[in-house]
Amino acid sequence: ETGVTQTPRHLVMGMTNKKSLKCEQHLGHNAMYWYKQSAKKPLELMFVYNFKEQTENNSVPSRFSPECPNSSHLFLHLHTLQPEDSALYLCASSQDLRTGRHYGYTFGSGTRLTVV
Amino acid sequence: GQQVMQIPQYQHVQEGEDFTTYCNSSTTLSNIQWYKQRPGGHPVFLIQLVKSGEVKKQKRLTFQFGEAKKNSSLHITATQTTDVGTYFCAGQSSGSARQLTFGSGTQLTVLP
Repeated sequence: ETGVTQTPRHLVMGMTNKKSLKCEQHLGHNAMYWYKQSAKKPLELMFVYNFKEQTENNSVPSRFSPECPNSSHLFLHLHTLQPEDSALYLCASSQDLRTGRHYGYTFGSGTRLTVV
Repeated sequence: GQQVMQIPQYQHVQEGEDFTTYCNSSTTLSNIQWYKQRPGGHPVFLIQLVKSGEVKKQKRLTFQFGEAKKNSSLHITATQTTDVGTYFCAGQSSGSARQLTFGSGTQLTVLP
């Protein structure tokens, strides 16, 4: 266990379904991230939350909707996805972004999403 | 926007041979981080370099940060089968945005 737990590990959903991915961290971090990892592409940053506030939305389509109720939990709500959205979705956390210091990210094991 | 290029994309080596991956940023970085992702796994933080010209070692792994803080390298001496995986560099810009920009990774295969 990395200290960042993602559920479910695998998800198959139809294009008309609504599902949610969950991420929980037990490291006392205040920043949380969603990344998308597709085959043969670099890790793509989707959303950043620092102290529950969204600080970054990297032009992500509205069919992806993040939610951060507290510094330990992060959700990614999915609806009307496309087959090209199939990928590994990784959650990560790090220390407070406001300090100006730099910290390594701790990643969860990811959710392997397949859209059919 | 900031871009981080990483080469080579793939590298096959015989066990015992050395391996190097290179990372170049289009902009000056405040720091660079390196991650390793085993097959079927998730990225795991290895190290962070902050100072110009910095060199850090972790056993058989040597990490360097260029003088201009725009490039970096990871060198593995005498590879072992446990080194198999994809190595990513990730650069953090000097501006107010502190997000990491990941390189595309180098997938290392070690042949026994």
